[in-house]
Order: sequence, then structure tokens, then C-alpha cells
Amino acid sequence: GQNIDQPTEMTATEGAIVQINCTYQTSGFNGLFWYQQHAGEAPTFLSYNVLDGLEEKGRFSSFLSRSKGYSYLLLKELQMKDSASYLCAVMDSNYQLIWGAGTKLIIKP
Amino acid sequence: IAGITQAPTSQILAAGRRMTLRCTQDMRHNAMYWYRQDLGLGLRLIHYSNTAGTTGKGEVPDGYSVSRANTDDFPLTLASAVPSQTSVYFCASSERQDFNEQFFGPGTRLTVL
Repeated sequence: GQNIDQPTEMTATEGAIVQINCTYQTSGFNGLFWYQQHAGEAPTFLSYNVLDGLEEKGRFSSFLSRSKGYSYLLLKELQMKDSASYLCAVMDSNYQLIWGAGTKLIIKP
Repeated sequence: IAGITQAPTSQILAAGRRMTLRCTQDMRHNAMYWYRQDLGLGLRLIHYSNTAGTTGKGEVPDGYSVSRANTDDFPLTLASAVPSQTSVYFCASSERQDFNEQFFGPGTRLTVL
């Protein structure tokens, strides 16, 4: 079957760095996505990786290793507004997104 | 309209009733999707449409139907609601099926009693 695993919850301090991991097993691979979802709101797109390596976008970076079925999202200089759930999703061979359950990130002052 | 809108925002429904959730986008995106989101689970795809006039089944299609008469609208119908359909429903769209970003509507919170 298809499976996306990520930690349920993480806590970090304002100004610090946090890494959210995601491992996947899917039928085919057409890219890995990270979305941010604030409580009670819709998911919004953060990043997309289809090749191995690191993609950097401001304070956020995303890494992919296809051979290991592994990705991480790195958030630097954490701000209180970064408190949200972070969703990992993989596009499978049918171009459908398979979603992880999300990681709730709690930022403490 | 800017982006994707959904209606209603929330709804309480008696079991056995018929309900249509509305979704409209103004981005002229070809592909549209319906997901449900339940606590502790990832978003699950209910139905999708790659282009106007075509629809397909996702991971959890039972009890739901969709239509895509035009590019902008993609309604989701529950023919006879059951309590297990209590969830938050998100509509999303993308330029095309294999495009790398999906845009989400604000969601509909549905409670079936």
C-alpha cells in the first residue's frame, strides 16, 4: 500500500531552527510537496521537490532523497506565525496526491 | 471572486438527507479535486476532474458523486448522508492534473447527525 509518515507533533522555540521529516512508500513518484495549514484554514503550498537535493525558499528549505524515500522541511528563524500543521504529500504514478497526516508545529516564545 | 470559493461554510445535516457542496474557481484551471480531512488522517481524495466533462474516482468515493459541466464549477453531492461523512471538505484546483501546485478553497465543515 501507499504510506506517508511524519511526526504527529513537534515543539520549537521562537528564533530557532526545526526540521520536519517525512518518509514515503508510494506506487510511483512524480514529486513531493510540502503544504502549510493554519488551524481552521485551507492548506497552502510551500515547496515542491522532484529531483534529489535541497530547494531553498527564504526561511524555508525542503530536501529530497528519492533512493531513501525521505524528505525534510527545514524552517529557520522561527516566528510565532509559523505555528501550524505541515503536510507532506507525494504525487503518485496516477498524478494523484497521497497525503501524510501532518505535523503540528508548536512555537514557544 | 478571487481563487476558489466553497459554500456553505458549515452545515449540520440529518442522516439520510441529500446535500450538495458547492465549489467555484475563477482561475480557469483544468483540474479540480474534492478532499475530506479527518482528525489524525491525511487529506483523502474523494473525486477529481482533469477537465470539464470528465470525472474520476479517488481513494474514498463511496457515497459521493460529482459533476463537471463547465470549467469553473465542481459540486460534490452526498445522496444520502451518513454520520461517517462528518468531516471538513476541501475543494482544490490546479492548472492541470500533473501541475505541481494545488490551490485550496476555505473548506466546508459538515456534521451529519
